[in-house]
Amino acid sequence: SQTIHQWPATLVQPVGSPLSLECTVEGTSNPNLYWYRQAAGRGLQLLFYSVGIGQISSEVPQNLSASRPQDRQFILSSKKLLLSDSGFYLCAGQLYNSPLHFGNGTRLTVT
Amino acid sequence: ELKVEQNPLFLSMQEGKNYTIYCNYSTTSDRLYWYRQDPGKSLESLFVLLSNGAVKQEGRLMASLDTKARLSTLHITAAVHDLSATYFCAVDIRVTTGTASKLTFGTGTRLQVTL
Repeated sequence: SQTIHQWPATLVQPVGSPLSLECTVEGTSNPNLYWYRQAAGRGLQLLFYSVGIGQISSEVPQNLSASRPQDRQFILSSKKLLLSDSGFYLCAGQLYNSPLHFGNGTRLTVT
Repeated sequence: ELKVEQNPLFLSMQEGKNYTIYCNYSTTSDRLYWYRQDPGKSLESLFVLLSNGAVKQEGRLMASLDTKARLSTLHITAAVHDLSATYFCAVDIRVTTGTASKLTFGTGTRLQVTL
């Protein structure tokens, strides 16, 4: 079964600083990969998804970007963080027709 | 734009009681998920419902799907404290078969089971 690794678990960054969150997948190959964000007390918002290396689909225009340099690596980035980027970021992996399997998440606070 | 609405948003119930959480969605889909989230934690998959009339049960939880009514329910039987968590439904809209799942999540139902 697949395991989704995310790090760091928590992060505090000043406004205007860059961001890089990494997600790696273990135990499977060629998964669909996703980045979701959860604002405090809210549901999840799909940010990006990828069906293969170098293939990124963006769902919400924003201050963030994603990349998939390797089959089992998915990176979420920003050049300059905004206060509104604060939230709980979750990476998820999916094999064909299966439920999304989520990592443990990164709690980002932009100050 | 797909809208997914859950109700209630907050549910406080006593141990041993039964209750149902409702998930309504606004467009056609034949795939719906239920997830559980404990405070500060990630999401855990509970059920996948793949067709009209699908019913899945695990322990004290039972989920069902009515695609014609665009409604899914999560029924809790004889609640226990360990079920306290936030429950999300998520509707899957795929662009074409075999591509990525674009899940739209409901706002969640925070369940608190009291002694």
